[in-house]
Amino acid sequence: DADVTQTPRNRITKTGKRIMLECSQTKGHDRMYWYRQDPGLGLQLIYYSFDVKDINKGEISDGYSVSRQAQAKFSLSLESAIPNQTALYFCATSDFGTGNTGELFFGEGSRLTVL
Amino acid sequence: QKEVEQDPGPLSVPEGAIVSLNCTYSNSAFQYFMWYRQYSRKGPELLMYTYSSGNKEDGRFTAQVDKSSKYISLFIRDSQPSDSATYLCAMRPFQGAQKLVFGQGTRLTINP
Repeated sequence: DADVTQTPRNRITKTGKRIMLECSQTKGHDRMYWYRQDPGLGLQLIYYSFDVKDINKGEISDGYSVSRQAQAKFSLSLESAIPNQTALYFCATSDFGTGNTGELFFGEGSRLTVL
Repeated sequence: QKEVEQDPGPLSVPEGAIVSLNCTYSNSAFQYFMWYRQYSRKGPELLMYTYSSGNKEDGRFTAQVDKSSKYISLFIRDSQPSDSATYLCAMRPFQGAQKLVFGQGTRLTINP
C-alpha cells in the first residue's frame, strides 16, 4: 500500500458542486500539504498543516478549505467548484526531525475536472 | 516574474546522451536546492538534494548550484529510457521553511 493515499484519483463534477479530496498517510509525519499542479505552472501550495491544531494558508488558498481530522488525515474541500479549479491535486507529507532534509512525500494525485 | 524559472520543454534526446536541465531563481535567500522526478500519473519523488553552492553526484546524476549566478543544473549521464519523466527543481531559504518554491517542470523523453 502507498504511504500517502489520495481519494478519489479522478473526479468529474459540475460548476457549483461541493467536492472533497481526501488524503491519508502511514508515514507518521506531522506535516501535511495540499498542492495544485497545472501545466506550465509547476506546483502551487494551497494549504499546509504542521499538526492537528495547525492550519495555514498557502499561496493560492482562495476557493479552498481544509480539515485536519487526525495526524494521518488531511482533506481538501472546494465549497463551490468552478472550471478554473480543474487541475491535478497532490497531497504531501514531510518530517523535519533532526538530520532530515524536509523531503516531501507525495501521493499519486487526484485529477479534478470541473465542467 | 516568477521566483523560479524552468524551461518546460519538452526535451527529447537519444538514449545515451548527456542531459542538462536548468533553473534560474531571483531570491538570493534560497540555500537548499532540490530536484524532484515525476513519472507520468505519479507524484513527484525527491531525486537530489544540495545545500548552498557546489556539486553533488549520485550515480549518473549530478546536481550543480551556482549561487552567484542564481542558477542550478541537473546533469544526467548515459541517459536511459527509464529517465523519461518530468523534472522539477525546488528550493527554500532555510531548512525549516514551510514554503518550497517549485519550478514549472521540464518534460524529458529519452528515445531508445
